[in-house]
Formats: sequence, structure tokens, C-alpha cells
Amino acid sequence: SQTIHQWPATLVQPVGSPLSLECTVEGTSNPNLYWYRQAAGRGLQLLFYSVGIGQISSEVPQNLSASRPQDRQFILSSKKLLLSDSGFYLCAWREQGARAEAFFGQGTRLTVV
Amino acid sequence: SQQGEEDPQALSIQEGENATMNCSYKTSINNLQWYRQNSGRGLVHLILIRSNEREKHSGRLRVTLDTSKKSSSLLITASRAADTASYFCASYTGRRALTFGSGTRLQVQP
Repeated sequence: SQTIHQWPATLVQPVGSPLSLECTVEGTSNPNLYWYRQAAGRGLQLLFYSVGIGQISSEVPQNLSASRPQDRQFILSSKKLLLSDSGFYLCAWREQGARAEAFFGQGTRLTVV
Repeated sequence: SQQGEEDPQALSIQEGENATMNCSYKTSINNLQWYRQNSGRGLVHLILIRSNEREKHSGRLRVTLDTSKKSSSLLITASRAADTASYFCASYTGRRALTFGSGTRLQVQP
């Protein structure tokens, strides 16, 4: 069966420090991968999605970047964090082709101080 | 911008009562999906309804879709305290990613 791993679960980082959040998927090949951010009590904002290795689409210009170095690995990064980068970050995947359900990781709570 | 907007934003009911949440969307859809999120956790897929379907059931869940009104509703029957969570509708907007509404926070009082 397929599983998705996202880590770390919580992270407290100072302003100006770098960021690297990692997400890996097991049990499937060539998935579509996504990074979302959720502000407290709000909906999900799509940040990036990827349909293949090295293929990244950015939805919102911002202080973050994403990379997909391997088929089932998706990384969210920042060179210098801002206070406004605080939030709940969620990684998700779905099967290629079908507009079917997405499967989410457990999320990373990022607090920039 | 949000593709889906849920209504109400928050709902508090007693155990055993039914909970109804509504979702309105803006563009044409292939399907509409509902997800559940427990506090501080990831989202879990509940049910998917295709654009050519009007109603779908899964256990205590009932989803309706009205494409002429661009709206959907999620009904949870005989609610339980464990149903306390946020519920989101989502759809594909032509991009290859799901776009989510802002959610309904459901509180079921024991």
C-alpha cells in the first residue's frame, strides 16, 4: 500500500535561517506531488506541484522554492525564512492522469521566531 | 482565489444530530471531493462525487451535487463526538492540483 512521510512534525526556526522540509512517498510510481500551506483556522493554499522529476510549478511567488530530485521525493526550501512563512505545511500526492483523491502527509508546523 | 467556499464556517451540534455543510464553487468541475482534517493533522479523503452524479452515500455520509447551482452539500447523520473536525470541499480547477475551500469547523458535543 502507498504511504506518505513528511518530516519534521514541528519546527521552530529564527528569522533569516534556511528551511528544508522533506516529503517521500512509498508504494507508487510517478505520482503528482504537492505542497500546501495552511494558516491557522483557514483553508489550504497551493504552493507548488510537480508532475515529474525536476518539474516544478509554482502557484504563488514567495520566499519558498521546491525541488523534486527523485521520483517520490519532494522538498520545500527557503534560503532565508520570514515571519510570514510560519504556518502548517502539508505534502500530498495523487496518481498521475486521473483527477482522483489526494493523500496527505501529517504536516509540519513551522514557527518562525 | 478559493474555488470552493464552505458554509457555515463553524457548526456546533449535539451527538446524534445531523450535520450539514455546504460548498459553493466557481468554475466547472470534473468531480468534487470532501476531506476531513482533525486538528493539527493532515487531510483525509472522505468521498468523491462526479459531475454527472447528483447524490452519493458512504456510511453515515451523504453528498449531493447541483452543477446548475455550482454547489454541493455534505450531510453527516447521527453525528458522534469523534466527528469533530474541519471539513473541506475541493475540486480541480483546470490545473493539476486540488483547490480547497476555507472549511467548516464542526464541533459535536457529547
